Amino acid sequence: GDSVTQMEGPVTLSEEACLTINCTYTATGYPSLFWYVQYPGEGLQLLLKATKADDKGSNKGFEATYRKETTSFHLEKGSVQVSDSAVYFCALSGGSNYKLTFGKGTLLTVNP
Amino acid sequence: DAGVTQSPTHLIKTRGQQVTLRCSPKSGHDTVSWYQQALGQGPQFIFQYYEEEERQRGNFPDRFSGHQFPNYSSELNVNALLLGDSALYLCASSRVGQGVYEQYFGPGTRLTVT
Repeated sequence: GDSVTQMEGPVTLSEEACLTINCTYTATGYPSLFWYVQYPGEGLQLLLKATKADDKGSNKGFEATYRKETTSFHLEKGSVQVSDSAVYFCALSGGSNYKLTFGKGTLLTVNP
Repeated sequence: DAGVTQSPTHLIKTRGQQVTLRCSPKSGHDTVSWYQQALGQGPQFIFQYYEEEERQRGNFPDRFSGHQFPNYSSELNVNALLLGDSALYLCASSRVGQGVYEQYFGPGTRLTVT
C-alpha cells in the first residue's frame, strides 16, 4: 500500500538557518504530493503541492520538488523564521485512492 | 469565505459511551473526509463521503460510522468508546472535479476518553 516516510524530528534551528526535511514515498501509479503544516493547537494547512514528476511546489519561501526517480519530495527553505515553528507533514494522494496518506510529522523549532 | 468548521472543539467521554462529531465543509466543496490523529502521529484516514455515501474507508472498525447530509455537512459517530479512541479528529473537505485533489482541514475536535 501507499506509505510516506519522513525525517525523524525534532529539528531545532536558529533563525535564518537553512531547512531541509526529507520525505520519501511508496505508491502505485503517479501520486500527487503535498506538504502540510500544523501550528500548535490548530488543524492542518496545505503548504505546497506537486502533481507530476519534476514539478516544484512553492509557498512562503518553502519549496519541494517531485523526484520520481528517487521517490522523494524534500521540503526546503533558505532562511527560517521563528514563526515557522510547527509540525510539518508530508503526504500523498495516489491514483484512484481518494485518501491522503501522511508521514508521522517532523517538529521544527526555530530559536531567535 | 468560511473554511471548514468542526464542533465541538473539545469533548470528554467515558469508556463505552457514544460520541457524534460534526463538520461543515468549505463553501463550494461537496466531499468530506475524516481523519484520526493520535498524539505525536500523522493523521490516519477513517472514511470519505461524497453524494451522501461512503466512498472509501480506511482501516477502522465498524464502531466508526458516518453520515453526509444534503447540504454536504457530515457527522462522525463512534460507538463503544475505547481509551485508544482519544485523539484529534480532523475533518477535511474538497471538491470533486478540481484539477488537483486538495483537501482543506478544519481545526479538529479533541476527544478524550476516560
